[in-house]
Amino acid sequence: DAGVTQSPTHLIKTRGQHVTLRCSPISGHKSVSWYQQVLGQGPQFIFQYYEKEERGRGNFPDRFSARQFPNYSSELNVNALLLGDSALYLCASSLGLTGSYNEQFFGPGTRLTVL
Amino acid sequence: EDQVTQSPEALRLQEGESSSLNCSYTVSGLRGLFWYRQDPGKGPEFLFTLYSAGEEKEKERLKATLTKKESFLHITAPKPEDSATYLCAVHRYSSNTGKLIFGQGTTLQVKP
Repeated sequence: DAGVTQSPTHLIKTRGQHVTLRCSPISGHKSVSWYQQVLGQGPQFIFQYYEKEERGRGNFPDRFSARQFPNYSSELNVNALLLGDSALYLCASSLGLTGSYNEQFFGPGTRLTVL
Repeated sequence: EDQVTQSPEALRLQEGESSSLNCSYTVSGLRGLFWYRQDPGKGPEFLFTLYSAGEEKEKERLKATLTKKESFLHITAPKPEDSATYLCAVHRYSSNTGKLIFGQGTTLQVKP
């Protein structure tokens, strides 16, 4: 079975631009979460969606937004990019939100560089 | 405030030299503690979930244990291929979210 897939793998943008990152969960998983990982740190939670509804939002500015589609894939959008947005963006999928259903499996990530 | 702290930040071992990584947490109501392995430039790979104090899980050379305040990842007779960053994360009781709070990780290097 295919794991979590993310696209693109790498992305270079300039300050002020907009970016869209995409994620396809493991087949059968209904929840997608997004995390930001800066070099040398652990992942930081950005959003979680379950059955197309937002189920959690981390401490990120409104420039960050996301959505989940009927096929459970997801997009993360970041507007007005800043240098500090440079990071590895990780998508994780899970069956649900609690107990073993919340075991989150990560994709390979999208490396975003803002110049 | 919820907090997850891992120690040490970095660990160098000789092949075969067993050791433990620590994950201490402060969270109001633990719903689950997760261990992941992360290779450079890649996404975290799921290892274990522990749900209650006293629980233990094993996988090959790795064994994870949980108490009410911390978790340990024991590595027995490590090999160079065990070199990676090990992350722990907690899921706390809250309304309908599976948000994970991660520690900063322990980078393990195993020399042949």
